[in-house]
Amino acid sequence: EADIYQTPRYLVIGTGKKITLECSQTMGHDKMYWYQQDPGMELHLIHYSYGVNSTEKGDLSSESTVSRIRTEHFPLTLESARPSHTSQYLCATLNGTYYGYTFGSGTRLTVV
Amino acid sequence: AQTVTQSQPEMSVQEAETVTLSCTYDTSESNYYLFWYKQPPSRQMILVIRQEAYKQQNATENRFSVNFQKAAKSFSLKISDSQLGDTAMYFCAFMKPPQEDMRFGAGTRLTVKP
Repeated sequence: EADIYQTPRYLVIGTGKKITLECSQTMGHDKMYWYQQDPGMELHLIHYSYGVNSTEKGDLSSESTVSRIRTEHFPLTLESARPSHTSQYLCATLNGTYYGYTFGSGTRLTVV
Repeated sequence: AQTVTQSQPEMSVQEAETVTLSCTYDTSESNYYLFWYKQPPSRQMILVIRQEAYKQQNATENRFSVNFQKAAKSFSLKISDSQLGDTAMYFCAFMKPPQEDMRFGAGTRLTVKP
């Protein structure tokens, strides 16, 4: 079944650590997105990609980086985690303009 | 830039009753798409309903329907016969071609009470 997967689901990590949040999809969609969401709050676009080797920054300033070497994968990396990075990170693909986004289950990150 | 406003941070409704969630947006475009997403507690965000701006007919999906007022830039969601499983955060979202990056409102937390 075509879907979008995010790992890990939950992560608690110490300040200064490097972390990579994984996002994979089996739908062959070109456009992928990362949103940051504080619990129960609005979503803020932090990165997006229109296809392989395409990455752009979103509206919300973020210290994270992304890569898109393969269509299926769109990982997000924090080189040095800080408590201010504590949040939920949602990955999504565009299922065609008419159909909107398909979201992953999210990664809830806590930096201590 | 387009903005989406949800003016009701929290709402509650009795089971089996009807509730309407409000959403307004700001754009100068004529061709765009509007969406309502549902995010249950600790669960995946899922699409509830969508509307194309050039279609005047309001979208309907089972118990969910919208009231799309293009001139007023309003896009409210009506949930009929509310069920306990409807308890969730509801986000209104706007998207326009060709950029297709979605803009979300701040969300409305809906609680359905037994």
